Amino acid sequence: QVQLQESGPGLVKPSETLSLTCTVSGGSVSGYSWTWIRQSPGKGLEWIGYIYYTGSTKYNPSLKSRVTISINTSKNQFSLNLSSVTAADTAVYYCAKIVVVAAPTRGHSYYYYMDVWGKGTTVTVSS
Amino acid sequence: DIQMTQSPSSLSASVGDRVTITCRASQTISNYLNWYQQKPGKAPKLLIYAASSLQGGVPSRFSGSASGTDFTLTISSLQPEDFASYYCQQSYDNTPFTFGPGTKVDIK
Repeated sequence: QVQLQESGPGLVKPSETLSLTCTVSGGSVSGYSWTWIRQSPGKGLEWIGYIYYTGSTKYNPSLKSRVTISINTSKNQFSLNLSSVTAADTAVYYCAKIVVVAAPTRGHSYYYYMDVWGKGTTVTVSS
Repeated sequence: DIQMTQSPSSLSASVGDRVTITCRASQTISNYLNWYQQKPGKAPKLLIYAASSLQGGVPSRFSGSASGTDFTLTISSLQPEDFASYYCQQSYDNTPFTFGPGTKVDIK
């Protein structure tokens, strides 16, 4: 079955860019949407954004100015860049696979839910 | 953004108890509501999607329902492995996904 693994630095300095990669195994990134979510004690679970395998993206407006999510289908990976980080960006970062299902009773509307998650990686922002 | 609230924030229960957790959305979200279980140090696990559809492999003691902007997760008979935190999450139309603050279920 599909498994996800986050990787990247566990410590990032303030004002720098946080960069994480999610490697997908047991399946292909093609045909699916993929997302980043973070969890901190102060803000709970926060959705960061998602990317479709074609490269189209959607971001949380609260982070949009600082976030870039990209995908590399040849490496079966997708990545997160979060710029100008502060201590408030300290969190456990999860990558996850999104299932997108058409809603049967509402045209052009879809259910989105995260059915496979990585184990998470802790990122601390500190000098 | 659509705000999600959950009640209670925590509860104590015994094995075999029926447990009900409520999630309320700040506006209508139809049935675009998912439930996740999270154990300490682990990633969330999908339990219920579209308010009442059971994810494959999840025990049938878990169920979900909806009434207007209120959603309920019920565990019919609490088992030792169910002690965890539970989160709701909405994915209504083009709004940003948002999660509830969570409900922690611990042993009485």
